Amino acid sequence: KQEVTQIPAALSVPEGENLVLNCSFTDSAIYNLQWFRQDPGKGLTSLLLIQSSQREQTSGRLNASLDKSSGRSTLYIAASQPGDSATYLCAVKGTGNQFYFGTGTSLTVIP
Amino acid sequence: DGGITQSPKYLFRKEGQNVTLSCEQNLNHDAMYWYRQDPGQGLRLIYYSQIVNDFQKGDIAEGYSVSREKKESFPLTVTSAQKNPTAFYLCASAGNVQETQYFGPGTRLLVL
Repeated sequence: KQEVTQIPAALSVPEGENLVLNCSFTDSAIYNLQWFRQDPGKGLTSLLLIQSSQREQTSGRLNASLDKSSGRSTLYIAASQPGDSATYLCAVKGTGNQFYFGTGTSLTVIP
Repeated sequence: DGGITQSPKYLFRKEGQNVTLSCEQNLNHDAMYWYRQDPGQGLRLIYYSQIVNDFQKGDIAEGYSVSREKKESFPLTVTSAQKNPTAFYLCASAGNVQETQYFGPGTRLLVL
């Protein structure tokens, strides 16, 4: 069974700092990997989707990379802002059409 | 305006009662999913459906039931057999295997 791990569990940074969130998965047979943002008490919002054949995706200040062979993905956030404070989750889609989620990284950006 | 709606936002269940959570989507997606989220844990899959009138159990299906009579709707029933139902329930949908998942706003279930 696919296991997804996210490190660190919580992160606090001053505004303006660049930061990296990590996601690792145990089974490299995946269709894609997604990064989501979740605000307290809300649903998930998709940030970036990387197909298994891709190495990275970018959207604004966000860049996600995928190294399928080593079972790792990173989410890079440039010039962090207080509005970036949220929980970030990664999820991988396996061959059985199921998604497997990590436990998330809770990010706080201090003004 | 396309999207996924879940209702109610909050739901209270009494001992021995079955309750049903609603999930509707107008994205014309074939696949729909139900997840449970507990504090400090990732989302865990309860049930998913890839097509109308077909659904599969996820990792924690015991005490739950679903139906998929229409493409747009995937209601989840929390039965009295689910002894620890207090959680945040999220519904999602997706198109083909290459596409992203879209999530509803969630329903928080509390036990009285």
